[in-house]
Amino acid sequence: ETGVTQTPRHLVMGMTNKKSLKCEQHLGHNAMYWYKQSAKKPLELMFVYNFKEQTENNSVPSRFSPECPNSSHLFLHLHTLQPEDSALYLCASSQVTPAGANVLTFGAGSRLTVL
Amino acid sequence: AQKVTQAQTEISVVEKEDVTLDCVYETRDTTYYLFWYKQPPSGELVFLIRRNSFDEQNEISGRYSWNFQKSTSSFNFTITASQVVDSAVYFCALRRISNFGNEKLTFGTGTRLTIIP
Repeated sequence: ETGVTQTPRHLVMGMTNKKSLKCEQHLGHNAMYWYKQSAKKPLELMFVYNFKEQTENNSVPSRFSPECPNSSHLFLHLHTLQPEDSALYLCASSQVTPAGANVLTFGAGSRLTVL
Repeated sequence: AQKVTQAQTEISVVEKEDVTLDCVYETRDTTYYLFWYKQPPSGELVFLIRRNSFDEQNEISGRYSWNFQKSTSSFNFTITASQVVDSAVYFCALRRISNFGNEKLTFGTGTRLTIIP
């Protein structure tokens, strides 16, 4: 496996369900990210983890709960979602260095539909 | 506050035509990075280029070229002799440079490019 892998690629869930999205990076990077991509909106940064520590929570509702057990894995736990949460959720990783370019490598995304 | 504007929501051109995707940005920072990413139908964003605000030289990579104009805050992307495989959504993005090294990327809303065979 190479790059950034996301599972599942597609998920349909009811508003009362609990599910999780998984992201794994095989690049040896020290930072991981969750982005939300909705139609006709800029990509929205949700969470950032540096060295497994959460460094940014971009005012995300508590029904989204991230988990980063190590620098290679990132989860997004979902519970009691709303239909407006339907979107493509993209995971990314990067190697963060001071004043560095910090180019993000993205996964293919998990397409979430909330009924 | 930082902002990236991609005014072209959708563009369609016939194969082999040249096409330019516009990107205009706003920032109060004097140093920053600019990026272009490509999102094909498979979903993942693919990194195309990073440009440092110190370097205003235009860049060419094969059929791709980028025109960075600091005076007009623009970073336009041109595809020459377009091909069907170029069909994708293209995103322009901006990030400040700091010693922290992990500043937030600000993305535009993207331009959907369709190349017609």
